[in-house]
Amino acid sequence: EPEVTQTPSHQVTQMGQEVILRCVPISNHLYFYWYRQILGQKVEFLVSFYNNEISEKSEIFDDQFSVERPDGSNFTLKIRSTKLEDSAMYFCAVLLSSGNTIYFGEGSWLTVV
Amino acid sequence: AQTVTQSQPEMSVQEAETVTLSCTYDTSESDYYLFWYKQPPSRQMILVIRQEAYKQQNATENRFSVNFQKAAKSFSLKISDSQLGDAAMYFCAYRSAGQFYFGTGTSLTVIP
Repeated sequence: EPEVTQTPSHQVTQMGQEVILRCVPISNHLYFYWYRQILGQKVEFLVSFYNNEISEKSEIFDDQFSVERPDGSNFTLKIRSTKLEDSAMYFCAVLLSSGNTIYFGEGSWLTVV
Repeated sequence: AQTVTQSQPEMSVQEAETVTLSCTYDTSESDYYLFWYKQPPSRQMILVIRQEAYKQQNATENRFSVNFQKAAKSFSLKISDSQLGDAAMYFCAYRSAGQFYFGTGTSLTVIP
């Protein structure tokens, strides 16, 4: 499987603070995704990113969320003003241009206090 | 809308025995992909097996195999010779175009 590195692995932040989660994929990726998993619950789609723009987003992905690839490599998810309910594991995933499968990073565990 | 349903929140199996995890999905499309992902306690999502809808033959990966029933929109995962390391949460997923949809997961316990 292709490596997808996520940082930080765990972050604790105060409510109202901004958080940036980073994903560093290898090359030849077609799509990028962010998913969220609240503890004990299902994996929820947040947003997909294709050709340097948002392809699709869920209703969860409201104005407090944003994504970008600032340097053409790192893929970031920004949460502008965190809420308690944003506490979750955030997964970056990539779809290779040559394949049909998404591969997940190890996740970033966000705790909002 | 595409939905994926896993009706078994929890399952258990004796070590070395066989267990089947169920998954059904709803779609009006004919070309799609189905997946099973494993999430161990480390919480990383690991691909277990993949099935292309246009293929009639069921996918197999070592001890893991699927029973793909396209007409019934069913995609079950069979784990043979279960091992302690198979204990995890298992998610069924459906892909159409660039989008993936996940079920709610089945927590598998392997009893020594």
